[in-house]
Amino acid sequence: QVQLQESGPGLVMPSQTLSLTCTVSNGSISSGSHFWSWIRQPAGKGLEWIGLIYTGGTTNYSPSLKGRVTISVDSSKSQFSLRLASVTAADTAVYYCARWTARFDSWGQGTLVTVSS
Amino acid sequence: QSALTQEASVSGTVGQKVTLSCTGDSNIIGSYAVAWYQQISHGAPKTVMFGDSLPSGIPDRFSGSKSGTTASLTISGLQPEDEADYYCSTWDFSLSAVVFGGGTKLTVL
Repeated sequence: QVQLQESGPGLVMPSQTLSLTCTVSNGSISSGSHFWSWIRQPAGKGLEWIGLIYTGGTTNYSPSLKGRVTISVDSSKSQFSLRLASVTAADTAVYYCARWTARFDSWGQGTLVTVSS
Repeated sequence: QSALTQEASVSGTVGQKVTLSCTGDSNIIGSYAVAWYQQISHGAPKTVMFGDSLPSGIPDRFSGSKSGTTASLTISGLQPEDEADYYCSTWDFSLSAVVFGGGTKLTVL
């Protein structure tokens, strides 16, 4: 069973860039027809899709975050990453990485990122 | 506002059958399979249904269906451990994006 683990700073200053990495283990990040995705959930609210990437480099982003978000992949390290620019308090949330194969079939445990000075 | 609409809350007693709904435009619900995710106590979500297919390890009291612009998740024989938030999700071809419903809080009385 593939496993995913998020890592990165838990606190980001307003207007700065949020950066997170997801490490994939017990499976190849390059195999099959899998896409790799980021989802977030503000406290007490629902799930919000951020974007996804195919290991070939193709990306799709949420229309509401497009322009601020970049997802990249490093197959040699079995990792994919999220960068979200110009963050505000509204970007405070638990961030999940997940594998998408027409649905999210594997999830990381999630990591809380707080935007505050 | 979510592209998919779900009830804010649903409740049922142990052993009862409950149905959660997920409604969207025909170009969304009608074009792609809908997945259902269970989230217990704000832990990581887990897939409990994809279309009408039950993932491995999910009890067969869960079932999925779709009619017109509404997808449904039915739990037959509700159990205390089914108390959770449930989210529906699918691919929106017009946006080239994954969309989620706002979530339904299922309470087992």
